[in-house]
Amino acid sequence: DSGVTQTPKHLITATGQRVTLRCSPRSGDLSVYWYQQSLDQGLQFLIQYYNGEERAKGNILERFSAQQFPDLHSELNLSSLELGDSALYFCASSPGQGHYGYTFGSGTRLTVV
Amino acid sequence: GESVGLHLPTLSVQEGDNSIINCAYSNSASDYFIWYKQESGKGPQFIIDIRSNMDKRQGQRVTVLLNKTVKHLSLQIAATQPGDSAVYFCAESEEYGNKLVFGAGTILRVKS
Repeated sequence: DSGVTQTPKHLITATGQRVTLRCSPRSGDLSVYWYQQSLDQGLQFLIQYYNGEERAKGNILERFSAQQFPDLHSELNLSSLELGDSALYFCASSPGQGHYGYTFGSGTRLTVV
Repeated sequence: GESVGLHLPTLSVQEGDNSIINCAYSNSASDYFIWYKQESGKGPQFIIDIRSNMDKRQGQRVTVLLNKTVKHLSLQIAATQPGDSAVYFCAESEEYGNKLVFGAGTILRVKS
């Protein structure tokens, strides 16, 4: 157990639907990062939050949004789902700026049918 | 579980041999580098890291080498074991706490 908890582990949904993926960071970590891993694209950075604030944005689609709550857990919302959104979604956490140690969760496998 | 990165380069080594996995990076501002191991169906697992002010760092059975001149990173695994079979990713960051940018990955297969 890495200390980063992601739920659900698996999700199957239809095109056009909306889903929410949840991440609880390792205790004490302030930063949360979301990554998408498709078979043909490796790990792509989506977005980072630090202590509730958006810190960095990557190639995140407008249909996707995220937030980090006061208790530091984060949610990634994916809407108007398309077949191409099927992927593994990973959350990682780190203590924050100036500190190293990125720890990944075990991911959520999203299948859009 | 399903494989990740079916079209990734593959390195096949005999059990007990040493493995060398290479990674090229492009961002000259990158200051921090990490190697991750990912087994099928699992999240990336930290192996070893190195900062840009170093050119070599050793861990247990693993060594990371950094050549900033040619923007090249390598991971050496000594006495490779079947349990080392996985996909290996290098990742870089401009600063601690900043986002990690991942390389494409390499599949390591260990033959018994």
